[in-house]
Amino acid sequence: GENVEQHPSTLSVQEGDSAVIKCTYSDSASNYFPWYKQELGKRPQLIIDIRSNVGEKKDQRIAVTLNKTAKHFSLHITETQPEDSAVYFCAASIGGSNYKLTFGKGTLLTVNP
Amino acid sequence: GAGVSQSPSNKVTEKGKDVELRCDPISGHTALYWYRQRLGQGLEFLIYFQGNSAPDKSGLPSDRFSAERTGESVSTLTIQRTQQEDSAVYLCASRPKAAGELFFGEGSRLTVL
Repeated sequence: GENVEQHPSTLSVQEGDSAVIKCTYSDSASNYFPWYKQELGKRPQLIIDIRSNVGEKKDQRIAVTLNKTAKHFSLHITETQPEDSAVYFCAASIGGSNYKLTFGKGTLLTVNP
Repeated sequence: GAGVSQSPSNKVTEKGKDVELRCDPISGHTALYWYRQRLGQGLEFLIYFQGNSAPDKSGLPSDRFSAERTGESVSTLTIQRTQQEDSAVYLCASRPKAAGELFFGEGSRLTVL
């Protein structure tokens, strides 16, 4: 089955700096890569996703890049703010109408004011 | 309701007892997932239901774990003869057929004494 590795497990940055979280996946057939944000005590929520037919996607301060050849994808957060502090999970799946989403172990991001 | 509803929100039980966790997905969502999240850990896949297809049970950790779903509605996750290592938050998520985003419930926190 699919295996997703995520690094780093913890990340601390100063407000205004950028943060980068990286993930690798094992199954070359995977073609859907979402990122979820989980604030303390809350449910995970989708913040951005990318499909394998594109290499980069941006949404305001958040961007995701995908390298299919190397089987890795990354989340980039620019101009970080304290409210960005949360656990971020990457995931991968083989798409279509019937798929199982495999998550990484998460990255605890702390943005220091 | 507007979102995925899970009950109970908290459950404390004694080792060896059986527990049943319930998930009400968003109406019309054909896919339903159960994940386990141990304290400070990632999202561990348990089981996946998609419409009337046979469920993907590949993530269930032992035969003490089982899950059912009636059509495209309510799902129950049952853990028999609970052990202390079963203590975790059990998250349910649902997804529309043609979309990628998973909508998570608030989770059921299980504590086995």
